[in-house]
Amino acid sequence: NAGVTQTPKFRVLKTGQSMTLLCAQDMNHEYMYWYRQDPGMGLRLIHYSVGEGTTAKGEVPDGYNVSRLKKQNFLLGLESAAPSQTSVYFCASSYFRGDGQPQHFGDGTRLSIL
Amino acid sequence: ILNVEQSPQSLHVQEGDSTNFTCSFPSSNFYALHWYRWETAKSPEALFVMTLNGDEKKKGRISATLNTKEGYSYLYIKGSQPEDSATYLCASPGDSNYQLIWGAGTKLIIKP
Repeated sequence: NAGVTQTPKFRVLKTGQSMTLLCAQDMNHEYMYWYRQDPGMGLRLIHYSVGEGTTAKGEVPDGYNVSRLKKQNFLLGLESAAPSQTSVYFCASSYFRGDGQPQHFGDGTRLSIL
Repeated sequence: ILNVEQSPQSLHVQEGDSTNFTCSFPSSNFYALHWYRWETAKSPEALFVMTLNGDEKKKGRISATLNTKEGYSYLYIKGSQPEDSATYLCASPGDSNYQLIWGAGTKLIIKP
């Protein structure tokens, strides 16, 4: 089972460049999430989606945009990368709300902005 | 904003010993409590989702208890093994119930 797949796994960007991170899930989950994880800090939610065509801001949305055109895909975009966006990015998905269903995570994308 | 706290921040345990650590959360408007295991260079993996006060869940040598009235959950590991070395995260849904609020984790290191 593929589960949650993130591409790419690694990327180095220069300040000001743009890129898109792709998250794909094959579990027919309604809910999808993008997190960033920085040393000494827990997971921080960037954006999330509760269904196809919907997105919402999380705790740290500035500098990022997202789209959920298809139920199985959730894209995270950086329009103009900044060194502060150097991080490990995780995508997750779940069947339903956070009350009873666990989140399933991808393997992460390690992004460095020079 | 909901605050989920974990203690201790890190823990060194001798192989074969049992251990436990804590997750605390506000007891009002409780929905659920999640536990995840996160090995270095891998992604978080769900251990338990607990919803009922007094609930106790078990998976192999790992178990968890939940007290929603006082706002805490314990994770227990019996007879620690080197493969138990990981960061253990807990999380609880915020008021919106769509997103999880994560604790900073307890990093467990098992000494052979």
